[in-house]
Amino acid sequence: GNSVTQMEGPVTLSEEAFLTINCTYTATGYPSLFWYVQYPGEGLQLLLKATKADDKGSNKGFEATYRKETTSFHLEKGSVQVSDSAVYFCALTLYNQGGKLIFGQGTELSVKP
Amino acid sequence: NAGVTQTPKFQVLKTGQSMTLQCAQDMNHNSMYWYRQDPGMGLRLIYYSASEGTTDKGEVPNGYNVSRLNKREFSLRLESAAPSQTSVYFCASRGFHTSPDEQFFGPGTRLTVL
Repeated sequence: GNSVTQMEGPVTLSEEAFLTINCTYTATGYPSLFWYVQYPGEGLQLLLKATKADDKGSNKGFEATYRKETTSFHLEKGSVQVSDSAVYFCALTLYNQGGKLIFGQGTELSVKP
Repeated sequence: NAGVTQTPKFQVLKTGQSMTLQCAQDMNHNSMYWYRQDPGMGLRLIYYSASEGTTDKGEVPNGYNVSRLNKREFSLRLESAAPSQTSVYFCASRGFHTSPDEQFFGPGTRLTVL
């Protein structure tokens, strides 16, 4: 079946530290990959996406590269801020599946000043 | 432009009670979705509606029904609530002509079933 696995949280970092959140997927077919972010008390927002192998999605200093050979889409940021504290979800969707998203379990990030 | 709105924000039910969660979007999107979010499990799809007049089951449809009332509105009904339905419920929508890959989420409804 299709699934997404993320690294366990919570992750606690100091401000300006480097962030990596690992995400791997299993899919029957060629998925599009996403990172969504959920700030406290809010719904999810799309952070970045990639639709084909070797594509790099980027937004707000975050980056993730679609690696077909390792079935991964790891999220990185060079220098995190307190305002990046949130829950991050990796997700995939498959072509012709009505846009249904399959989510990982989420990784909570807490950034301390 | 309110995006995706959900009502209510919070609800407490007793086992066996019924309720309807309301969702509306003003972005003229064709597709709408209901997810539930549980700790350690991410979001799981309950039902979705690819277009007005159609609905389909997702990963966890048992105990729920949906109605796509019109293009704007997509409601989720719990006929006889159970404690296992305690969760945060999110509605989302997607438009083919703007960002076909992106879903826009509402703020969520936090439901507790006692």
